Amino acid sequence: DVKVTQSSRYLVKRTGEKVFLECVQDMDHENMFWYRQDPGLGLRLIYFSYDVKMKEKGDIPEGYSVSREKKERFSLILESASTNQTSMYLCASSESGTGNSPLHFGNGTRLTVT
Amino acid sequence: GDSVTQMEGPVTLSEEAFLTINCTYTATGYPSLFWYVQYPGEGLQLLLKATKADDKGSNKGFEATYRKETTSFHLEKGSVQVSDSAVYFCALSDRNDYKLSFGAGTTVTVRA
Repeated sequence: DVKVTQSSRYLVKRTGEKVFLECVQDMDHENMFWYRQDPGLGLRLIYFSYDVKMKEKGDIPEGYSVSREKKERFSLILESASTNQTSMYLCASSESGTGNSPLHFGNGTRLTVT
Repeated sequence: GDSVTQMEGPVTLSEEAFLTINCTYTATGYPSLFWYVQYPGEGLQLLLKATKADDKGSNKGFEATYRKETTSFHLEKGSVQVSDSAVYFCALSDRNDYKLSFGAGTTVTVRA
């Protein structure tokens, strides 16, 4: 089974802090994604990457950046955390190719910014 | 752009009841359609998918049929169990893209 591991289950950070969310997948998938999940809004795509060192903005990239130095690892960075970034963050990966490939998700990181 | 609309919850049912969650989509091309499920405390996992019109996806007693004429992909299960309590997400992806667009999610609670 594909395993997508997010390094923290819960995080509490202060406003203005720089925050790193880490994600590792073990199935050699080309594509990796960061979503945030908020009640009533479903999942919204922040950034995705289809190859090492490649990244593309999703629907809500403002306030975030990403890093993909190795194929298996995709990091989400909050340069200066704000309270409106309190959310559940989900990492996912998928095989390369067209839109038929399903996403494999990690268990999520619940971030609280105070 | 592409989008998905699914029925609002929460939905509360008794065991062995029939479950339907409506999902409609807007897409310019010919998307693939998915249902994902999120059990408490876990990430999302793929429940079923359909990649072309009239395809039926099925898994764990759940079914959904890709209806191009009504742009719908409704999820159904004939007899739910307590273990089906979860949040269900409808999603679509364009055939030429690997991003998914998700609906808002529907919380289902099944009571014994």
